[in-house]
Amino acid sequence: AQTVTQSQPEMSVQEAETVTLSCTYDTSESDYYLFWYKQPPSRQMILVIRQEAYKQQNATENRFSVNFQKAAKSFSLKISDSQLGDAAMYFCAYRSGEGTYKYIFGTGTRLKVLA
Amino acid sequence: GAGVSQSPRYKVAKRGQDVALRCDPISGHVSLFWYQQALGQGPEFLTYFQNEAQLDKSGLPSDRFFAERPEGSVSTLKIQRTQQEDSAVYLCASSSPSRGIPYEQYFGPGTRLTVT
Repeated sequence: AQTVTQSQPEMSVQEAETVTLSCTYDTSESDYYLFWYKQPPSRQMILVIRQEAYKQQNATENRFSVNFQKAAKSFSLKISDSQLGDAAMYFCAYRSGEGTYKYIFGTGTRLKVLA
Repeated sequence: GAGVSQSPRYKVAKRGQDVALRCDPISGHVSLFWYQQALGQGPEFLTYFQNEAQLDKSGLPSDRFFAERPEGSVSTLKIQRTQQEDSAVYLCASSSPSRGIPYEQYFGPGTRLTVT
């Protein structure tokens, strides 16, 4: 069975600085997708970035980028130029390339942004 | 609206009561998922529909949990004889494989269920 591990329950970053959130996963599959979701206090999960396992190039979305290390099964999220609005829970999620496409989530990292 | 909506947003039930939670997915989305998120945890999969067919219910924790999507759009998650351990946020998500994107899921705001 696949598992997702987020080993940082909480992280803090100064406004305008850069922070990296860690995620590791375990799978025997070769076809899968990885996602980072943001969950603000309002609870609505918002997609931040996604990565297809077959792509070697790391995904980038504006200030958000990932470091995808397939062999190490690592998928970290880097947030550059952190803003107060980035404060939230961040969840890493795994989705198989076949089957029901359900997500397997990590336990989350709470990001605090300090003014 | 353009997003996934859920109702009610908050529900308080006395132990033993039955509850029904509603999800309105994004129009045209074929796939619908229910997740349970306990306090301080990540969401955990409950069940999956493709149109009206429930293709995976492996995450439902007991036979007190039942989900349906009779016309392939709105879905209802029903919990019978609620217990305190059912207290959680219930998230609904929908996705549309036909668009050719990698099946990203769009989430609703959730229903917070508190069983007293």
